[in-house]
Amino acid sequence: AQKITQTQPGMFVQEKEAVTLDCTYDTSDQSYGLFWYKQPSSGEMIFLIYQGSYDEQNATEGRYSLNFQKARKSANLVISASQLGDSAMYFCAMRESFNFGNEKLTFGTGTRLTIIP
Amino acid sequence: NAGVMQNPRHLVRRRGQEARLRCSPMKGHSHVYWYRQLPEEGLKFMVYLQKENIIDESGMPKERFSAEFPKEGPSILRIQQVVRGDSAAYFCASSPPPQGITGELFFGEGSRLTVL
Repeated sequence: AQKITQTQPGMFVQEKEAVTLDCTYDTSDQSYGLFWYKQPSSGEMIFLIYQGSYDEQNATEGRYSLNFQKARKSANLVISASQLGDSAMYFCAMRESFNFGNEKLTFGTGTRLTIIP
Repeated sequence: NAGVMQNPRHLVRRRGQEARLRCSPMKGHSHVYWYRQLPEEGLKFMVYLQKENIIDESGMPKERFSAEFPKEGPSILRIQQVVRGDSAAYFCASSPPPQGITGELFFGEGSRLTVL
């Protein structure tokens, strides 16, 4: 079974609009962490935002926020006021069990976001 | 630049040759992770190492692949007798000793292996 599911292979969004990238996850652990990474065409992986399973508030980092709905096991990334530089692949990832020190992540298949001027 | 350093960035090998990919973690980081990204796919965990120890190799193929992180020097991912299916981007990531919950991984820019 897929542990991380990203159902949108590609999205096109007008510049300055907000965009939501979907991510659902599957785990039986009580303690886990959810991450979003951005991969531009140059290939590097850029950390965007983190949400812990016990965090009561949704994480925010600048224009990025994570819409965490624990009961639905979803962790959607919201980018406000999109910019041309946001065009990239976006990966959702999960770390199960706070196995202290082991940061092994399971990644989804990604969503390719294209911002249209 | 104090980031995770990977080399080579691009490597071309013929079938049957060996590929060696190197990773120097960020300064102060003692944990190294290797991931593989096949074209148009997400990253897949391969192996987690600390200095001189393999902690978790549950994602490593059983044959031809090995990894090490010696006391001195970079971590090495070695692929023997490469086949076309090994063509992928190989990412290294590092993390500091456990000191918090977030546990962000810091990724290198990846090494892109092409097998002819």
